[in-house]
Amino acid sequence: AQSVSQHNHHVILSEAASLELGCNYSYGGTVNLFWYVQYPGQHLQLLLKYFSGDPLVKGIKGFEAEFIKSKFSFNLRKPSVQWSDTAEYFCAVNEGRYNQGGKLIFGQGTELSVKP
Amino acid sequence: DAGVIQSPRHEVTEMGQEVTLRCKPISGHDYLFWYRQTMMRGLELLIYFNNNVPIDDSGMPEDRFSAKMPNASFSTLKIQPSEPRDSAVYFCASSPTRPGGYTFGSGTRLTVV
Repeated sequence: AQSVSQHNHHVILSEAASLELGCNYSYGGTVNLFWYVQYPGQHLQLLLKYFSGDPLVKGIKGFEAEFIKSKFSFNLRKPSVQWSDTAEYFCAVNEGRYNQGGKLIFGQGTELSVKP
Repeated sequence: DAGVIQSPRHEVTEMGQEVTLRCKPISGHDYLFWYRQTMMRGLELLIYFNNNVPIDDSGMPEDRFSAKMPNASFSTLKIQPSEPRDSAVYFCASSPTRPGGYTFGSGTRLTVV
């Protein structure tokens, strides 16, 4: 069965620091990959997604992620974080054969706290 | 587009009572999902539907939980009888078949006392 692993449970950074959140998945076939963000008390919002093509994906709010197939990884990055990036970040995967319409498996989430 | 609409936003109920959560997906989306979020277990997929038909309910924790989708614009998740360990935030999400990404509703925060 598919699984998604996020390496860090809680990350604390100062403003302007660079961010990298790790995500690894277990499925060996074609996958679609996503990062979602959940601000305190709110619902999940899509940050970015990867289906095929350029493995470096750019999302909203200056976030990007790189798909490395050989490492089964899809790490999220941002060069300079802001206090407003404080949130929980979820990596998610679904099998490509479902053409994205199938079920999405989430990692446990990484809580990011940015100190002003 | 109003997005995925869930009701109620908050629900407080006593143990043993029946609870019904409601969801209206985005028009034209073929898939609908129910997730539960807790601190201990994170985001768990409970059940999902494709074209109103349940496809995978393996995440439904017990027979006390049931979900229906009588038409393309409405789904319910019912817990009967409710227990304190059911306290969580329940999210509904919908998705088109074509690549796009899920859209989540604002969730229902359920507290069972």
